[in-house]
Amino acid sequence: AQSVTQLGSHVSVSEGALVLLRCNYSSSVPPYLFWYVQYPNQGLQLLLKYTTGATLVKGINGFEAEFKKSETSFHLTKPSAHMSDAAEYFCAVSVTGGGNKLTFGTGTQLKVEL
Amino acid sequence: EAQVTQNPRYLITVTGKKLTVTCSQNMNHEYMSWYRQDPGLGLRQIYYSMNVEVTDKGDVPEGYKVSRKEKRNFPLILESPSPNQTSLYFCASSYRGLDNSPLHFGNGTRLTVT
Repeated sequence: AQSVTQLGSHVSVSEGALVLLRCNYSSSVPPYLFWYVQYPNQGLQLLLKYTTGATLVKGINGFEAEFKKSETSFHLTKPSAHMSDAAEYFCAVSVTGGGNKLTFGTGTQLKVEL
Repeated sequence: EAQVTQNPRYLITVTGKKLTVTCSQNMNHEYMSWYRQDPGLGLRQIYYSMNVEVTDKGDVPEGYKVSRKEKRNFPLILESPSPNQTSLYFCASSYRGLDNSPLHFGNGTRLTVT
C-alpha cells in the first residue's frame, strides 16, 4: 500500500521568501504524485502532478516540484512567496493497479507574513 | 463551467436523523468519490464509484451509504448520523478513474451532528 508523509503541519514564510513544503512517499511500485491546494472555504484544486517523464514538474501560480526517486520525495517549492499563497497544501500518491486509490498526506498550512 | 456541485454547504442535524448530501458533476466523468477531512488526518476516502452502478468502499465506509444510478450524481447517505461523523465532506470526480487522472473537487459540505 502507498502512503505519504508531509513534514511540518504549519510552515511560515515572509513574503518574497522561498517556499519549501516537504513530501515523502512510500510505494512498492512507481508512483503518481500530486500536490493540491485548498484555500479557505473551498475544495482542493490541483497544483501539479508527476506521472512519468521529466522529474521537475511545473504547476500553476509559480509552484514546482521535483520527483526524487532515490529520496522518495516530491517537495513543493516556489521561489518567492506571495500573500495569496497562504492556504493548506496536500501531497497525494496513487499507483497503477492500486485500486484507483488516491492517498493524501495530512496537509501543511502555509502562512505568509509581511 | 466544469464543476462538481455539492449541496448543502452547511448542515446541522441531530443524532439518528437520516440525511443525504448530494453531489453532481457536469464533466461526464466516470469516477466519483467521497472524502472526509478532519484536522490532523488529512482527507480519507469514504466510498468511490468507477461508473454507474459500480461502487466500492474506501478507507472509512462505516456509517455511510452511496448510490450511483446516473453518471453525473453520487449522493452520500447517512442513515443514522452520529457525532463522530461531524466533519468536512468533499465529493470529487475524475475521468476514467484515478492513477494519473487528477481529481476535481466540490467546495465541501460542513456537517455537524449533535
